[in-house]
Amino acid sequence: EDQVTQSPEALRLQEGESSSLNCSYTVSGLRGLFWYRQDPGKGPEFLFTLYSAGEEKEKERLKATLTKKESFLHITAPKPEDSATYLCAVQVHAGGTSYGKLTFGQGTILTVHP
Amino acid sequence: DGGITQSPKYLFRKEGQNVTLSCEQNLNHDAMYWYRQDPGQGLRLIYYSQIVNDFQKGDIAEGYSVSREKKESFPLTVTSAQKNPTAFYLCASSKAPGWVAGGHEQFFGPGTRLTVL
Repeated sequence: EDQVTQSPEALRLQEGESSSLNCSYTVSGLRGLFWYRQDPGKGPEFLFTLYSAGEEKEKERLKATLTKKESFLHITAPKPEDSATYLCAVQVHAGGTSYGKLTFGQGTILTVHP
Repeated sequence: DGGITQSPKYLFRKEGQNVTLSCEQNLNHDAMYWYRQDPGQGLRLIYYSQIVNDFQKGDIAEGYSVSREKKESFPLTVTSAQKNPTAFYLCASSKAPGWVAGGHEQFFGPGTRLTVL
C-alpha cells in the first residue's frame, strides 16, 4: 500500500529561522510528487511538482528537493505570512487507462513568529 | 479569471437528508476529483472523473454519489447513507486524464464545510 508520512506534525519558527519539512514515501512506482500550501479554511494551493530523484524546484523562499525515498521543502528566512499547513502528495504509475491517484500526507503545520 | 468554484461555502444538513455540493471549473480541465478532509487527517479521495460521462469510486465512496454530464461540472451528493458526513469537502481538477503523460497537477476549489445538525 502506498504511504506518505510528513514530519514534523507541527513546526514553530522565528522569523528568519530557516528549516526543512520532510515527506517520506513508500510507493510502488513514483510518477510525481506534489507540494501544496493550505491556509485555514481554504483549499490547497499548488506549489511544486517533482518527477525524479535529484530534481529541485524553487519559488521565493521555498525550495523543494526529491530523493528516491523522500522529499524536503526547505524554507529560507521565513516570514509570518509563510505560516500555513504544507501538504505533500504522491502519484504512482498505473497501467493502461488506470488512474494514478494522489495519496496525501497528513501535513505539517508551520507557524512563523515575528 | 480561470478557476474552480464550489458552493455553498457552508452547508447544514439534517439527519436523513440528501444534500448536493456544487463544483464548477472553467479551466477546460478533463479530470475532476472530490476529496474529504477531516481534522488531523490527510485528504481522502471520494470520487474522480477522468472524462465526461465517466467516473470511478475513490477510497471512501460509500454514502456519496456523483455525476459528470458536462466537462465543467462535477456535483457531489452526500446521501443519508453517509453516517458521518461532517467534514470539509474539496473539489479539484487537473488538465489531463491519468493515462496521459504530464498535466496531473491538481488545482483545488475553496471548499464546502458540511455540518450535520
